[in-house]
Amino acid sequence: QKEVEQDPGPLSVPEGAIVSLNCTYSNSAFQYFMWYRQYSRKGPELLMYTYSSGNKEDGRFTAQVDKSSKYISLFIRDSQPSDSATYLCAIGDYKLSFGAGTTVTVRA
Amino acid sequence: NAGVTQTPKFRVLKTGQSMTLLCAQDMNHEYMYWYRQDPGMGLRLIHYSVGEGTTAKGEVPDGYNVSRLKKQNFLLGLESAAPSQTSVYFCASTRQGNTEAFFGQGTRLTVV
Repeated sequence: QKEVEQDPGPLSVPEGAIVSLNCTYSNSAFQYFMWYRQYSRKGPELLMYTYSSGNKEDGRFTAQVDKSSKYISLFIRDSQPSDSATYLCAIGDYKLSFGAGTTVTVRA
Repeated sequence: NAGVTQTPKFRVLKTGQSMTLLCAQDMNHEYMYWYRQDPGMGLRLIHYSVGEGTTAKGEVPDGYNVSRLKKQNFLLGLESAAPSQTSVYFCASTRQGNTEAFFGQGTRLTVV
């Protein structure tokens, strides 16, 4: 069993829709939860960072962590074509375990 | 401020050849990492370093070696390349273990 499971998609939504992404993980000791965004042929960039359980909001982006279910989510509101990218969840401490990444396309 | 720079950006190797990928960071970060990214597999950790002169194995270390002789540089070596090592390689660095990781632009390696 992989430490982090993420549905690779792909996911295609119309502009303005809410995008919902999620990951599950197996190691209950994990405390740090991140979402990275990766544009085509580029390196990943940190999008959201959460420590322990709860919600975190940054503009159109909301990250949720449910440690009891070992489940994390990323929501993108009012999605834009510029949000088209691959989104990777990352969980761990000094050694991050990454999900496979979900490729999102926002259609204009 | 360049951040994390990887050299080269592209390379084609023949089976059995060797090569070294160079990662350089100018942020004075302690931790550095080498990942490989394959379709449907996400990023998998090859080796990492928690400081100058130290290295450790990650999830998929076989066929690779690393060195961290200087704090700002982390080298990934392939002694005898195999087609299974065809991948995109990313270097990353963090100030300390659980902070934001900064990634390079990647090295696309094809082994024929």
